[in-house]
Amino acid sequence: GQSLEQPSEVTAVEGAIVQINCTYQTSGFYGLSWYQQHDGGAPTFLSYNALDGLEETGRFSSFLSRSDSYGYLLLQELQMKDSASYFCAVRGSARQLTFGSGTQLTVLP
Amino acid sequence: GAVVSQHPSWVICKSGTSVKIECRSLDFQATTMFWYRQFPKQSLMLMATSNEGSKATYEQGVEKDKFLINHASLTLSTLTVTSAHPEDSSFYICSASGNTSGSEYEQYFGPGTRLTVT
Repeated sequence: GQSLEQPSEVTAVEGAIVQINCTYQTSGFYGLSWYQQHDGGAPTFLSYNALDGLEETGRFSSFLSRSDSYGYLLLQELQMKDSASYFCAVRGSARQLTFGSGTQLTVLP
Repeated sequence: GAVVSQHPSWVICKSGTSVKIECRSLDFQATTMFWYRQFPKQSLMLMATSNEGSKATYEQGVEKDKFLINHASLTLSTLTVTSAHPEDSSFYICSASGNTSGSEYEQYFGPGTRLTVT
């Protein structure tokens, strides 16, 4: 089976940098994805790491260490609109995703 | 590209009735569709995976006779909640993967359907 752990809540101020960690235990591993979800909305894909290292997409970066079963999402230059829930998700088979419990990010003015 | 729609976006029904939710891939062929359920402030829990033309594969603990899934075409999957009860009230989200400009394994999510059973 799969299990993922991520912090339940993170608070930061506008303009700051925040890192959301995710550790996982899986029986199979293809890669780690990150999704953003605003209240009442659908998850929006942010990034995917299949190999070790850092992937950068604008203000968001994602890191993976397969040997440590660990990844993180880095959000820079935080904006109020970044307040949302962030989920890490393991792709344990070619198509299936298992989601973490989510981290509620609150950005303060 | 890779747009997924769901209909309805919200529905209220009486206990004991059935509700059908549609999930459509608008600009690509979805060889695989997934159905998730999400309770407030909780994670997305995979309910079932369906491949076009095949029977759905249900996750452990999900009643296949209660949550009927049909994936009859490459652009449409339906989830029918039969004999709904208040505990079935939840946010139901579908996703699809298939022949897109991105990875064929990437899942594209629909906007979700909020079901309230009274």
